[in-house]
Amino acid sequence: KNQVEQSPQSLIILEGKNCTLQCNYTVSPFSNLRWYKQDTGRGPVSLTIMTFSENTKSNGRYTATLDADTKQSSLHITASQLSDSASYICVVTLNYGQNFVFGPGTRLSVLP
Amino acid sequence: DAGITQSPRHKVTETGTPVTLRCHQTENHRYMYWYRQDPGHGLRLIHYSYGVKDTDKGEVSDGYSVSRSKTEDFLLTLESATSSQTSVYFCAISERGGREKLFFGSGTQLSVL
Repeated sequence: KNQVEQSPQSLIILEGKNCTLQCNYTVSPFSNLRWYKQDTGRGPVSLTIMTFSENTKSNGRYTATLDADTKQSSLHITASQLSDSASYICVVTLNYGQNFVFGPGTRLSVLP
Repeated sequence: DAGITQSPRHKVTETGTPVTLRCHQTENHRYMYWYRQDPGHGLRLIHYSYGVKDTDKGEVSDGYSVSRSKTEDFLLTLESATSSQTSVYFCAISERGGREKLFFGSGTQLSVL
């Protein structure tokens, strides 16, 4: 079964600290992997997208990594800000159709 | 939210009543999607459209129907709402589908009592 798992389920950090969110998937055949940020009461917004051949992608303070061999991805947030408080969703796209498999998300809270 | 408007933003209805949610886009994207989001679950695809009058089912399509008579509008209908359909519904669009970025609307909070 195609699944995406994320850990931790929730995370609390202090402003200015770094953190890393994890994503494991069992999706096949794989097309690409994306990370989305979802603020409370809003729709998800794309942060990064990586294909099979890419192992790192950055977007400002956000850096995503992908290990296609172990089927793992991580999202590293550097020098966190209060505005980083949100849910972060890992999404894997199958290599056919309109099949996006969404993870349940990690809820990040950044405290002052 | 990338030219996507969902209406209504909030709705409370009773079991057994029909409900229609609307998604309107100004991006002229070909693909439009309806998802539902529930606590502890990832977003789940209900239906999607790949053109005017062209639609297909997603993984949780039972109890839902859709229509797309114009490029810019995608309607989701709950023929007879049930409490299990209480959820947050998101519309998304994509220019070229599966390999492209999804742009999401702000969501509709639906409560079925």
